[in-house]
Amino acid sequence: GENVEQHPSTLSVQEGDSAVIKCTYSDSASNYFPWYKQELGKRPQLIIDIRSNVGEKKDQRIAVTLNKTAKHFSLHITETQPEDSAVYFCAASHPVNYQLIWGAGTKLIIKP
Amino acid sequence: EAQVTQNPRYLITVTGKKLTVTCSQNMNHEYMSWYRQDPGLGLRQIYYSMNVEVTDKGDVPEGYKVSRKEKRNFPLILESPSPNQTSLYFCASSSAWGGNSPLHFGNGTRLTVT
Repeated sequence: GENVEQHPSTLSVQEGDSAVIKCTYSDSASNYFPWYKQELGKRPQLIIDIRSNVGEKKDQRIAVTLNKTAKHFSLHITETQPEDSAVYFCAASHPVNYQLIWGAGTKLIIKP
Repeated sequence: EAQVTQNPRYLITVTGKKLTVTCSQNMNHEYMSWYRQDPGLGLRQIYYSMNVEVTDKGDVPEGYKVSRKEKRNFPLILESPSPNQTSLYFCASSSAWGGNSPLHFGNGTRLTVT
């Protein structure tokens, strides 16, 4: 079936450094790739998304890149800050029923 | 304020006692969905609804029921809860079909079944 793999499961970076989280998807027909951030004890919230007709999208310190040939997309966070500490989920849209297929999540830890 | 409201936030119950978790959205969204979140397993979809009176199974529908009689409400029903349904539950809504537009999540319901 459709699958999204997310790596790493935990990422620890020094404050001010960059963080990169990568996801791979199985169906080349997927066309929507969102990223959600979930702070401890809170609900997931969309931070950025990208569609298959675009290779990169940026919003201040956050960017997402999409490589359709390799079927992977990545979240890039630059100049990390303590408030970036959270669990990040990637997802890809199912090409038939349009439901999201979720990665297992990455716990990002920002070290002071 | 645009929001998805779930109730209750916390619920402790016993095996076999029917319960309902309510979900309501005030954004006139067509699409609503229920997820459960367990450590290490991420978000797993239980049921979703593309519109009123239209519901479909997600990845883990066993032991759950839903209904969509009105656009704004999408309750999750556990007819006979079991301990393996202990989890954190999220309701979400979207203006489109959920797989192609941002999801708005409720604050979650932490359910414990003893």
